[in-house]
Amino acid sequence: QQQVKQSPQSLIVQKGGISIINCAYENTAFDYFPWYQQFPGKGPALLIAIRPDVSEKKEGRFTISFNKSAKQFSLHIMDSQPGDSATYFCAAAYSGAGSYQLTFGKGTKLSVIP
Amino acid sequence: DTAVSQTPKYLVTQMGNDKSIKCEQNLGHDTMYWYKQDSKKFLKIMFSYNNKELIINETVPNRFSPKSPDKAHLNLHINSLELGDSAVYFCASRRGLIYNEQFFGPGTRLTVL
Repeated sequence: QQQVKQSPQSLIVQKGGISIINCAYENTAFDYFPWYQQFPGKGPALLIAIRPDVSEKKEGRFTISFNKSAKQFSLHIMDSQPGDSATYFCAAAYSGAGSYQLTFGKGTKLSVIP
Repeated sequence: DTAVSQTPKYLVTQMGNDKSIKCEQNLGHDTMYWYKQDSKKFLKIMFSYNNKELIINETVPNRFSPKSPDKAHLNLHINSLELGDSAVYFCASRRGLIYNEQFFGPGTRLTVL
């Protein structure tokens, strides 16, 4: 059972455009939602994360939007650059004691073309 | 200094062989993981250790055996390698609760011929 559904699978955006990646989750106990960025040949690295007490979090050109009632969250990359070309993973977890596992989406390959 | 390191980076071997991948973290983290990333980039958790104790053991063949000699190391031994084991294996670590950043190693690309 896939608990975090991510779309699209791949995305091509022009330089300077907005990249949007969407995720939906099923488990209402999830209360921590990170995004990881992976460049070819490298391990994933934390990009930005949100807790459900806020509906939006912004760090530079990267913004997470969170809709608790719809059980959806999304990553927006403003002014997309070729250097943003990577695979992006959303994830979710329950943050309580005894929780150790992030549930990852299947990833979105972003290509930003000049 | 590399936070999470893995050796080797590449591993090419024949079916039926036994191989090991080593992982070390110098961050003082208490939780370590092994993930498998297939050709479609899907990240699948395999194992997790917290303070040297196995806490997550997903549906993984018995041919895969993790070993944590101390909190800084988590090794993965694979017996009787099969073609389907070809993938990139990532080690990761984290301190404390789940909402702390999980640091991934650079990965080990395993190719079984």
